[in-house]
Amino acid sequence: DGGITQSPKYLFRKEGQNVTLSCEQNLNHDAMYWYRQDPGQGLRLIYYSQIVNDFQKGDIAEGYSVSREKKESFPLTVTSAQKNPTAFYLCASSIGRRNEQFFGPGTRLTVL
Amino acid sequence: AQSVTQLDSHVSVSEGTPVLLRCNYSSSYSPSLFWYVQHPNKGLQLLLKYTSAATLVKGINGFEAEFKKSETSFHLTKPSAHMSDAAEYFCVVSEGGSGTYKYIFGTGTRLKVLA
Repeated sequence: DGGITQSPKYLFRKEGQNVTLSCEQNLNHDAMYWYRQDPGQGLRLIYYSQIVNDFQKGDIAEGYSVSREKKESFPLTVTSAQKNPTAFYLCASSIGRRNEQFFGPGTRLTVL
Repeated sequence: AQSVTQLDSHVSVSEGTPVLLRCNYSSSYSPSLFWYVQHPNKGLQLLLKYTSAATLVKGINGFEAEFKKSETSFHLTKPSAHMSDAAEYFCVVSEGGSGTYKYIFGTGTRLKVLA
């Protein structure tokens, strides 16, 4: 059963801690993305990767970091430098940059 | 520069009546347009897409949208609303003029279906 998985579904973090969100896809897609969703706003792009070992900053990359060591995996680290990290985080993938994106179920991060 | 505007933040309809969710876009090049649906605390699901083929696009769950270049619109419609349609809907524009094919999201329309 092909798709995108994100874990955990809910995540709680104390201020000052780094935390890593997992995103895995078995669709054999080259491109992967991380978005942040806040209430009343559309999704905003954090980082994207078009190919293994390559990634680019999106619109709101400050305070976040990513890696793309494997085609199927694109983890996002929310660092302590991110001032307002409480949000819903969505991972997506597409065959290529020109193609439609498919989304995972999301991770809700809450900073305590 | 590309942008997308969803004209209504909230829409309420009665079950069995038509649905209209409005979307206007701005694009310097030939855009691709998408509608996604999001149920609470879930990811986004693709409803339909326009990529310069037929201007009337049919999607899943009885939804369709018409690309109108002269009006720069891509409104989403459904003849008869079902309770399960209650969700948030996002209109998305993407263009390749800058080479990035970046998705630009609207702010969403929350659809409420009344029994």
